[in-house]
Amino acid sequence: DAGVIQSPRHEVTEMGQEVTLRCKPISGHDYLFWYRQTMMRGLELLIYFNNNVPIDDSGMPEDRFSAKMPNASFSTLKIQPSEPRDSAVYFCASRLTGVAETQYFGPGTRLLVL
Amino acid sequence: RKEVEQDPGPFNVPEGATVAFNCTYSNSASQSFFWYRQDCRKEPKLLMSVYSSGNEDGRFTAQLNRASQYISLLIRDSKLSDSATYLCVVTGGSYIPTFGRGTSLIVHP
Repeated sequence: DAGVIQSPRHEVTEMGQEVTLRCKPISGHDYLFWYRQTMMRGLELLIYFNNNVPIDDSGMPEDRFSAKMPNASFSTLKIQPSEPRDSAVYFCASRLTGVAETQYFGPGTRLLVL
Repeated sequence: RKEVEQDPGPFNVPEGATVAFNCTYSNSASQSFFWYRQDCRKEPKLLMSVYSSGNEDGRFTAQLNRASQYISLLIRDSKLSDSATYLCVVTGGSYIPTFGRGTSLIVHP
């Protein structure tokens, strides 16, 4: 079975540009999570969805960040405008309710904002 | 106080050694506990769940102490391939996880 798929794997952009990160969760999973990982702050939960509905976005750092899940097989995290402090690894993870609460992570997107 | 705290290490041990990590959590209502492993430049992956009665998986033993609000991971007979960062994960209601910042383990020949 395919795991969680993320694209792009690497992104280098200039400050002020719009960045869109994409995620395809494992088929049948009903939860989807977006995380950000940096050396300074570790792994932070940004937002999560249940059955395509955003449940908690309290971890989203500011209005420049937005996330959508238009259907069960696709989600995006958008940063507009991007800033150098947004440089991090962004992980998407999915989970199936009732199955040991195990999260499966995608390979991550390494974002560098110059 | 951070919700989940870990000693960042690194723990530098020789092959064959036994090493133990602890993790403390602040929310006494926490429900589920896990250890994840993250290799360099890779995604976190579940290593094992942590049960109240303690559990073992080969060379790995995990324990939970609810009274003192900590969990532990013991690795026996360390291998070079055990070198990684070990993330402590605690979940509350709705099983939404909080990750610790991880403990780095380096196993050397």
